Amino acid sequence: GENVEQHPSTLSVQEGDSAVIKCTYSDSASNYFPWYKQELGKGPQLIIDIRSNVGEKKDQRIAVTLNKTAKHFSLHITETQPEDSAVYFCAAQVMRFGAGTRLTVKP
Amino acid sequence: GAGVSQTPSNKVTEKGKYVELRCDPISGHTALYWYRQSLGQGPEFLIYFQGTGAADDSGLPNDRFFAVRPEGSVSTLKIQRTERGDSAVYLCASSLAGGGETQYFGPGTRLLVL
Repeated sequence: GENVEQHPSTLSVQEGDSAVIKCTYSDSASNYFPWYKQELGKGPQLIIDIRSNVGEKKDQRIAVTLNKTAKHFSLHITETQPEDSAVYFCAAQVMRFGAGTRLTVKP
Repeated sequence: GAGVSQTPSNKVTEKGKYVELRCDPISGHTALYWYRQSLGQGPEFLIYFQGTGAADDSGLPNDRFFAVRPEGSVSTLKIQRTERGDSAVYLCASSLAGGGETQYFGPGTRLLVL
């Protein structure tokens, strides 16, 4: 089955800096890679996703890149703001989640 | 419109008891997923429904766990003979269809087994 690994487990940045979270997956057949943001006491919320037929996707301050050959994908957040502080999860094949990254943005 | 709702929001039970957790998906969503999330971990897949049928139940940890979706809308996750290790947040998500459609998560049910 699919195995998703996510790094780092915690990330602290200054407001305005960029944050990068990386994930690797094991199943070469995986073709859908969503990213979720989870705030305390709430369910995960989709922030961006990418499919295997593209290498990069952007939405304002958020971008995701995918390297199918290396089987890894990354989330990039630019110009971070304190409200970006949350736990972020990557996933593959819809249902297989990474362990999460706790992002803290310091004002 | 209304999102995914889950009831109860919190459930405390004693070891060995039976519990039922309910999920109301977004109206019209044919796909429904159950996950379990332990503290500091990502959601762990349990079961996926497409309509009324379980399309993938490979994540159910053992036969104490069972889920139904009799009319293709509301789903109930049932746990028999609860154990302390079952304590977690149980999340439900729905999507318009399966296989890569956006999942919308509910707030979860926090289960504590004493």
